[in-house]
Amino acid sequence: QKEVEQNSGPLSVPEGAIASLNCTYSDRGSQSFFWYRQYSGKSPELIMFIYSNGDKEDGRFTAQLNKASQYVSLLIRDSQPSDSATYLCAVNIGDYKLSFGAGTTVTVRA
Amino acid sequence: EPEVTQTPSHQVTQMGQEVILRCVPISNHLYFYWYRQILGQKVEFLVSFYNNEISEKSEIFDDQFSVERPDGSNFTLKIRSTKLEDSAMYFCASSAANTDTQYFGPGTRLTVL
Repeated sequence: QKEVEQNSGPLSVPEGAIASLNCTYSDRGSQSFFWYRQYSGKSPELIMFIYSNGDKEDGRFTAQLNKASQYVSLLIRDSQPSDSATYLCAVNIGDYKLSFGAGTTVTVRA
Repeated sequence: EPEVTQTPSHQVTQMGQEVILRCVPISNHLYFYWYRQILGQKVEFLVSFYNNEISEKSEIFDDQFSVERPDGSNFTLKIRSTKLEDSAMYFCASSAANTDTQYFGPGTRLTVL
């Protein structure tokens, strides 16, 4: 049983466009949701966390959470070449672990 | 800004040998974790640790694996007898609370020959 699923990439967007990333999760008891960015060969780097239904904005990033639909998304506005990376959706499963999706690779074309 | 550190950055070992991967979590964090990522695959949870004991472990974390907090700053992962399939990036993470944001170290690339 897959716990966290992300839309398969790769996702290619032109510079300045909006990149939209989606994630669904299976555990209705999950309370904490995270988006990490991972450059090739590097460790996951936190971009955003969201705990409540609705939208949360931080600079060019907006996370959206809908617990009823078990859905979390990430929007990247005004995409830059430096945003080219793999984006990992992570969800707290139980009390002590994160479950990660397989990631969506984003390429921003200059 | 405080960060998680890990040593070594790359470890090469022979199959059957023991390895110890080291981590220094963020100083005021209380929860510690190990994850691994096999090349091209997703990040997988191995174990979480709080108050000097394992809180949760995955099916991957079998008797060949152990964790320890030998002093007030270090957190280690030991693999007793490495297998070829243990080759992966191993990430240490820490958090202030159990469902709080986990911050990841730079990772140790383990290569088992």
